[in-house]
Amino acid sequence: RKEVEQDPGPFNVPEGATVAFNCTYSNSASQSFFWYRQDCRKEPKLLMSVYSSGNEDGRFTAQLNRASQYISLLIRDSKLSDSATYLCVVNGFQKLVFGTGTRLLVSP
Amino acid sequence: NAGVTQTPKFRILKIGQSMTLQCTQDMNHNYMYWYRQDPGMGLKLIYYSVGAGITDKGEVPNGYNVSRSTTEDFPLRLELAAPSQTSVYFCASSYPLVGYQETQYFGPGTRLLVL
Repeated sequence: RKEVEQDPGPFNVPEGATVAFNCTYSNSASQSFFWYRQDCRKEPKLLMSVYSSGNEDGRFTAQLNRASQYISLLIRDSKLSDSATYLCVVNGFQKLVFGTGTRLLVSP
Repeated sequence: NAGVTQTPKFRILKIGQSMTLQCTQDMNHNYMYWYRQDPGMGLKLIYYSVGAGITDKGEVPNGYNVSRSTTEDFPLRLELAAPSQTSVYFCASSYPLVGYQETQYFGPGTRLLVL
């Protein structure tokens, strides 16, 4: 089993739609969780950290379910500029473990 | 702050040639990392370092070497380049909290083509 698993997509949604991604992780001892965003041919950049109680940043909401070992990202009112690959990231020993990413395509 | 800088941005190598990918960070981060990302694939950790003088292998270290003589610099050396090393290479750094892993900051990447 992979340490971090994501649906590769692509998720094709129209502007204004709400879309959700899930990610599962295998290490129950993991303490830190993140969502990164990667644009085509660019470096990954931190989108948001994921906290146990769930957290929101504008149109983005992240949730953590420790019992089921999954993390989710909800994007409301999708914009064209949200088109990117979203990487689920979980901490390992002295390093982060990156999922392979979920691709989102927002169309007019 | 420049953050994490990488040079060169793009390089073409012939099979069997060697080169060093440079990575520098000015955030005084202890931890530094090298990843490779093949087209349409996820990030794979090559090597990492938790401080000057300390390096450790990631999941795909074969064909690469690293050194960490200063906090700021973490060069990646390719010996005897092979077509399988054609990829985009990202360097990253972080300043982890005790017991946790702080967020990583990435450089813009080096695109390497081995022919």
